[in-house]
Amino acid sequence: GAVVSQHPSRVICKSGTSVKIECRSLDFQATTMFWYRQFPKQSLMLMATSNEGSKATYEQGVEKDKFLINHASLTLSTLTVTSAHPEDSSFYICSAPRNLGAFFGQGTRLTVV
Amino acid sequence: EDKVVQSPLSLVVHEGDTVTLNCSYEVTNFRSLLWYKQEKKAPTFLFMLTSSGIEKKSGRLSSILDKKELFSILNITATQTGDSAVYLCAVEAPRYGGTSYGKLTFGQGTILTVHP
Repeated sequence: GAVVSQHPSRVICKSGTSVKIECRSLDFQATTMFWYRQFPKQSLMLMATSNEGSKATYEQGVEKDKFLINHASLTLSTLTVTSAHPEDSSFYICSAPRNLGAFFGQGTRLTVV
Repeated sequence: EDKVVQSPLSLVVHEGDTVTLNCSYEVTNFRSLLWYKQEKKAPTFLFMLTSSGIEKKSGRLSSILDKKELFSILNITATQTGDSAVYLCAVEAPRYGGTSYGKLTFGQGTILTVHP
């Protein structure tokens, strides 16, 4: 079964609104989680590293004020896309480290209309 | 900057063919290389490679890593239409003195299409 649960799997929102995506680790604690974005026909690009108890670390070119990350507990990280625009439409996916590599959530397909 | 390059970017074959997908990388502090299969949703784990020259095998799929030449290949024999997907190669290369385990740098992916 899934070890990382991501919700929602699909969301449609209007331009200018905010959307929150949750990523939960099941049956294990994750002090670190990662958020990726994938545009159509492109690969996964790391957006940020979510750190429990401290600020997230953002990759170059990712706006921290637009993509708010909160690692509220050892099992939950959230990504909020603020003031969404159509160009934010994408597939967002979280992951948590495993012994080697990572467990992935199911992904969230965001469509901004 | 860590870099992972896959080739070819796309491949069209017929059922029964054998395919070889390539992945080369340039990273500091290499820890592991992973292969994933993606079909319009989250990537599905295929293999994790950490040592050179040791082939990993799962059914018709196999993979091997060359840490000297910095590349890996993924082989699929007797392809089936269900193998049609994007195959992603990723490298785990922790930064900052060994923290950030699990942070992956992905290649562009290879789009494999298998025709009946």
